[in-house]
Amino acid sequence: GAGVSQTPSNKVTEKGKYVELRCDPISGHTALYWYRQSLGQGPEFLIYFQGTGAADDSGLPNDRFFAVRPEGSVSTLKIQRTERGDSAVYLCASSSTSGSYTDTQYFGPGTRLTVL
Amino acid sequence: GNSVTQMEGPVTLSEEAFLTINCTYTATGYPSLFWYVQYPGEGLQLLLKATKADDKGSNKGFEATYRKETTSFHLEKGSVQVSDSAVYFCALGPSSGAQKLVFGQGTRLTINP
Repeated sequence: GAGVSQTPSNKVTEKGKYVELRCDPISGHTALYWYRQSLGQGPEFLIYFQGTGAADDSGLPNDRFFAVRPEGSVSTLKIQRTERGDSAVYLCASSSTSGSYTDTQYFGPGTRLTVL
Repeated sequence: GNSVTQMEGPVTLSEEAFLTINCTYTATGYPSLFWYVQYPGEGLQLLLKATKADDKGSNKGFEATYRKETTSFHLEKGSVQVSDSAVYFCALGPSSGAQKLVFGQGTRLTINP
């Protein structure tokens, strides 16, 4: 079946601009996660949704970052007033049940964001 | 807080060599442990997992055993192939609260024919 998809695959923007990154999870998956992967590092957690609500947003670095999941499926990560330090690969993952610690998270291919 | 320390790379081996990539963790409670792999040009894929102490995860000839006494989850393969060249990430899933995975920094593995 279809996996997690993310669009765009690449995004180049200028410092100070606003960007939106989209994630389509696996159909039926209720849990959705955003991570950020800087060059040469492992992914770092940003935010977790269970259904429509953000159950844990403790990884968002500051108030320029915001994410929504209005209908419990597609999610959008929004970054305002982008900075060069925001350049990274943004990964989305989904899992099938209630976010149990035994669940497997399935990752999308990522969006590579470059802020000039 | 929870953390994962992974063997630094890059690691270069010849085909058919034995592979070990070390991973140790710090966590409260009884986390789940995972190895993810990222092949060139592809996304992260789950390679194997173990959800309780002494469990052994295995897949594609790779194995890792959840050792609570040494807080380790080392990845092993008896005979590597060129196609195993990739970046390998050890990760921890906390036993309570939101399932935010904590990843190691990754180990780049190159297998030469």
